[in-house]
Amino acid sequence: NAGVTQTPKFQVLKTGQSMTLQCAQDMNHEYMSWYRQDPGMGLRLIHYSVGAGITDQGEVPNGYNVSRSTTEDFPLRLLSAAPSQTSVYFCASSRPELNTEAFFGQGTRLTVV
Amino acid sequence: AQRVTQPEKLLSVFKGAPVELKCNYSYSGSPELFWYVQYSRQRLQLLLRHISRESIKGFTADLNKGETSFHLKKPFAQEEDSAMYYCALRDFGNEKLTFGTGTRLTIIP
Repeated sequence: NAGVTQTPKFQVLKTGQSMTLQCAQDMNHEYMSWYRQDPGMGLRLIHYSVGAGITDQGEVPNGYNVSRSTTEDFPLRLLSAAPSQTSVYFCASSRPELNTEAFFGQGTRLTVV
Repeated sequence: AQRVTQPEKLLSVFKGAPVELKCNYSYSGSPELFWYVQYSRQRLQLLLRHISRESIKGFTADLNKGETSFHLKKPFAQEEDSAMYYCALRDFGNEKLTFGTGTRLTIIP
């Protein structure tokens, strides 16, 4: 049981490049979400999904896309990277019907130059 | 709108001294409160949730609805407690978490 797995752990992008951050969970959790962590700002919700085929925007969605084709996977796409997207990104999952806490991945440290 | 406030960005405490990390929230519904901890370069992990009312690693937190607070306390700090601590709020029936800005706790040997 691996929990929540994120890849890559580190990434450097040039401004304007696109990339996808991967997130997978093996706990059969319906709810998945993406946060960005910035100094002095805590964790802010980017996008979330309540189940396969359903996604919605969080607090800071601009510049990011998501999709949820399976229960297990919830990739985050940066369409055209900007220096303001330099951050640490965390994926989380939980199972509402069991009232579990949120389980987090180990994070992806992204630098946009 | 729900909001979580952690007034201290940094907190330094001597080993063996008591620790209190403050958390206040504003929310009109029935919130569920959590403390998450992040050790250096590791993932966030749950430390406490108010509904379980248990002590983890010597830490306790009591939900005070009158003061809208959920302060984290430990009577005797240990060096391994050095970490980033986040208070978070979740509405019952809604999985979205709202986080505070975090407090970096440093235990001085």
